[in-house]
Amino acid sequence: DAKTTQPNSMESNEEEPVHLPCNHSTISGTDYIHWYRQLPSQGPEYVIHGLTSNVNNRMASLAIAEDRKSSTLILHRATLRDAAVYYCILRDLTSGGSNYKLTFGKGTLLTVNP
Amino acid sequence: KAGVTQTPRYLIKTRGQQVTLSCSPISGHRSVSWYQQTPGQGLQFLFEYFSETQRNKGNFPGRFSGRQFSNSRSEMNVSTLELGDSALYLCASTEEGRNSPLHFGNGTRLTVT
Repeated sequence: DAKTTQPNSMESNEEEPVHLPCNHSTISGTDYIHWYRQLPSQGPEYVIHGLTSNVNNRMASLAIAEDRKSSTLILHRATLRDAAVYYCILRDLTSGGSNYKLTFGKGTLLTVNP
Repeated sequence: KAGVTQTPRYLIKTRGQQVTLSCSPISGHRSVSWYQQTPGQGLQFLFEYFSETQRNKGNFPGRFSGRQFSNSRSEMNVSTLELGDSALYLCASTEEGRNSPLHFGNGTRLTVT
């Protein structure tokens, strides 16, 4: 599986934008970029995913580099409830079906200051 | 819709015992997968079931097993417990379809003494 690299931790202030980077230099053309986050004492929660184009949803935006070797999850206005570990995952869907075997790295621990 | 439900939330067992954990997926989801989370190894994939059949398996010893029932509910079993099996066990369900996101439960915290 192609690997991802994320900073161990990041800090932000409440109501400011947060840019969480992810490097995936060995990404293949069929890998989708997925982001999940895990709040304290909870299971991971899906945030967003994309392939080549930038994506937006109600939770966040995903900006994907033109060469796809990196991506950035953008939280437009951080709140205290966004404090969590954020995981960037590559998901290959070419094996004739869906791939449920997600490979989680260590993720980025986001601290939000009031 | 109700989310993924895992029971029990906490469990304490002794080395050598066995344990069964339960997972009820979101209504309509037929795929259920299991993950183990520890501070040292992070989140690791155990196995995935669909329509009562194991479709994918991670790199865990045979002491870890699972099954899925006709109503998509799933159980995982760990036999001959070891101290290193202490972890948060997470279950996730998903709709069948390419790129459908996984919906995780809040896990069962297993402590082996």
